[in-house]
Amino acid sequence: QVQLVESGGGLVKPGGSLRLSCAASGFSFSDYYMSWIRQAPGKGLEWVSYISSSGRTKYYTDSVKGRFTISRDNPKNSLYLQMNSLRDEDTAVYFCAREIRTIAAGEMGYWGQGTLVTVSS
Amino acid sequence: SSELTQDPAVSVALGQTVRITCHGDSLRTYSASWYRQKPGQAPVLVIYGKNYRPSGIPDRFSGSSSGNTASLTITGAQAEDEADYYCNSRDSSGDLHVVFGGGTKLTVL
Repeated sequence: QVQLVESGGGLVKPGGSLRLSCAASGFSFSDYYMSWIRQAPGKGLEWVSYISSSGRTKYYTDSVKGRFTISRDNPKNSLYLQMNSLRDEDTAVYFCAREIRTIAAGEMGYWGQGTLVTVSS
Repeated sequence: SSELTQDPAVSVALGQTVRITCHGDSLRTYSASWYRQKPGQAPVLVIYGKNYRPSGIPDRFSGSSSGNTASLTITGAQAEDEADYYCNSRDSSGDLHVVFGGGTKLTVL
């Protein structure tokens, strides 16, 4: 069955960096677009970034552009999010998610359990 | 970028039908997806595309759309349906972006 397991969250000071990982299993990872989506404490869902199945194309929400970098390693079935210049407002649970179909339609059919990133001095 | 607007809270009596709506310009171009999220859990996709249900989602969940409005209908709401519900869609502003609605808290009375 499809499994997505995030790791790498933690407490970091403003301006610091963190790298999130998402280990995928149970499906052909290289066939699917993947996303990072976050949820601040007590708030709604916010899409953060998309990466194409090949890894060649990447998209970001405006608030993280230039600070976050999404990447993937298809042979290792892994998705990453490098987060630099972190701000208080980046505090959230970060989910990795897979489309339910092999197209980029925003139809996130599978989610990990999330990893908490806390940015605080 | 586009925005999707949802009512913050909706209630329904046990066994009755409830409709949760989502408004936004992107819905004129792209289909909405709907997610159920219970406290402390990851979201679960309940409706996608025109009106498709992933495996394991009960058929009391259905979706529809007209103009800039998408709707999630639960026919015969159950106690376990009490949760936050989010809509999303592709952003119609050009790039491959995704936008989420602010979420609707559904209370089953």
